[in-house]
Amino acid sequence: GAVVSQHPSWVICKSGTSVKIECRSLDFQATTMFWYRQFPKQSLMLMATSNEGSKATYEQGVEKDKFLINHASLTLSTLTVTSAHPEDSSFYICSAEELIRDSKETQYFGPGTRLLVL
Amino acid sequence: DAKTTQPPSMDCAEGRAANLPCNHSTISGNEYVYWYRQIHSQGPQYIIHGLKNNETNEMASLIITEDRKSSTLILPHATLRDTAVYYCIVRAVSEKLTFGTGTRLTIIP
Repeated sequence: GAVVSQHPSWVICKSGTSVKIECRSLDFQATTMFWYRQFPKQSLMLMATSNEGSKATYEQGVEKDKFLINHASLTLSTLTVTSAHPEDSSFYICSAEELIRDSKETQYFGPGTRLLVL
Repeated sequence: DAKTTQPPSMDCAEGRAANLPCNHSTISGNEYVYWYRQIHSQGPQYIIHGLKNNETNEMASLIITEDRKSSTLILPHATLRDTAVYYCIVRAVSEKLTFGTGTRLTIIP
């Protein structure tokens, strides 16, 4: 399957600082990428859908000014958590959508970024 | 509003076939059945998907009933590395993936 990478894999930061997470599709081009968040013992929750060259679409309840998403190329999307607070500590996972045979679309996920805000 | 129902947990002996059921009685004609799994502290891994025909790849087989109201993911020879949470998701093309609570599969040595 296609490969999606994330960087960094984990980050610890002080409250009030901003953190940028990168998501790359390594062997395919992705016009659409997605950002998810997962709290301990819970399932993945979609935060936003990122389309190359246009503004991201945020899910209800997700603050777009706090979670800045940039999808500047077909292989890179970034999520910036601005003014991070301890409640933003979570596992952030991106995915990229590959269009494959017969118009079937498949999302491939990155390994995730664990954020701890002190 | 979950579109799928899965048992919360299952055990399977190492080396045996693991059969994971999923009910999706309200599936629409244009919705595919996707399976992903998530090993602890990792991102979800794509396994397989299908529309109405049975599918097989190097990881698993997907059996979809004729009425498409349920499906079964089969891992033919389970290993300890198959211990994970398995998610069954129904989704039409261009719709977002919505994860439920999945089935926690534990492979027993």
